[in-house]
Amino acid sequence: SQQGEEDPQALSIQEGENATMNCSYKTSINNLQWYRQNSGRGLVHLILIRSNEREKHSGRLRVTLDTSKKSSSLLITASRAADTASYFCATVRGTGGFKTIFGAGTRLFVKA
Amino acid sequence: DAGVTQSPTHLIKTRGQQVTLRCSPKSGHDTVSWYQQALGQGPQFIFQYYEEEERQRGNFPDRFSGHQFPNYSSELNVNALLLGDSALYLCASSTPLGTGTYGYTFGSGTRLTVV
Repeated sequence: SQQGEEDPQALSIQEGENATMNCSYKTSINNLQWYRQNSGRGLVHLILIRSNEREKHSGRLRVTLDTSKKSSSLLITASRAADTASYFCATVRGTGGFKTIFGAGTRLFVKA
Repeated sequence: DAGVTQSPTHLIKTRGQQVTLRCSPKSGHDTVSWYQQALGQGPQFIFQYYEEEERQRGNFPDRFSGHQFPNYSSELNVNALLLGDSALYLCASSTPLGTGTYGYTFGSGTRLTVV
């Protein structure tokens, strides 16, 4: 079973618009990570937020974490056609990083 | 600095056969995790290897087994292949504490098709 569940399952926007994806999870976590996957290739790590953090930024990416609601959001600002990909949240429990669990992903399509 | 290398990139096998997939972790990484990703789904955790031992395992049958070598490279073996084993198999490497800081580095995967 998957720990994280992304919402929406698919998102289509125009270039220049912002894209927001949400992730909900069920149990306590050590940290939460977001990954991008292009066309069935390997996943690329985007950003990590620890359970004691509430917000983190990296370039055009902004991630928030609400541990009381067991949810996180990924905001991509000023989207580009190259941002078209699937985005996955992954929750990590305990230390050492074992058993990182991925959600089903949000498929983002950015129209030029 | 080479990233994670997986081989082969594509593979076609017949039901009942056995398959071995290989992974070389990123330089400096000593922990290898394997994931199965069915079409349109998220990666499912199979198991993780550290210091040549299986440290954690997901909900996969014993047909799925693995090995880690002293140079940290790893193999995933699947016996008695079923049609449902058709998927993209992803290898991810990290350091034991690195996953909590830098996340995984993934390979490009092996696409396994069982016919």
